[in-house]
Amino acid sequence: SAVISQKPSRDICQRGTSLTIQCQVDSQVTMMFWYRQQPGQSLTLIATANQGSEATYESGFVIDKFPISRPNLTFSTLTVSNMSPEDSSIYLCSGGGRNTEAFFGQGTRLTVV
Amino acid sequence: AQTVTQSQPEMSVQEAETVTLSCTYDTSENNYYLFWYKQPPSRQMILVIRQEAYKQQNATENRFSVNFQKAAKSFSLKISDSQLGDTAMYFCAFVPGGYGGATNKLIFGTGTLLAVQP
Repeated sequence: SAVISQKPSRDICQRGTSLTIQCQVDSQVTMMFWYRQQPGQSLTLIATANQGSEATYESGFVIDKFPISRPNLTFSTLTVSNMSPEDSSIYLCSGGGRNTEAFFGQGTRLTVV
Repeated sequence: AQTVTQSQPEMSVQEAETVTLSCTYDTSENNYYLFWYKQPPSRQMILVIRQEAYKQQNATENRFSVNFQKAAKSFSLKISDSQLGDTAMYFCAFVPGGYGGATNKLIFGTGTLLAVQP
């Protein structure tokens, strides 16, 4: 399966600032997704990153807070905007194709102070 | 609503022994896929095993096997000959509908933290 490189692996940020997380896939993939994993919790889907168009957000997540880009079939970014301590989580990207299981990046552990 | 439930937040097993992790799900779909993912402290999500709902035969991958009970909507994971490297959080996940691979959204359970004791 393909490999996703996710950066940064961790960061500590001040409240009110923004952080952009990047995911680079080593081959073209049809779909990319962004998940949030709050401390001790399961993974919750934030949005589907659509190549060349606006991302599709799940209930409870909005573009102003989590803008997503996907300029091509191998790259996507998630920005966590105007951060507060409640945004402290692990953020994971995943990707894959129509006949493949989803594979994941290594995750970004974000701490907002 | 489609949900996945893991009722065991934490489990512990001695090295070389066998442990079973439970998962139940709720769906009105007839076609779907079920997965077990492993998340070690490195945070990397690793696919352990998958099961197609239309297959009656339980999936196996080396020391990992599942007990899939479609009528009961149950999908447990058995780990045989547990190893220290099996220590991780295990997530049960569900993909509704006909197989669309990663184009379908994964629905995750809350996870079971497994500790393998030496």
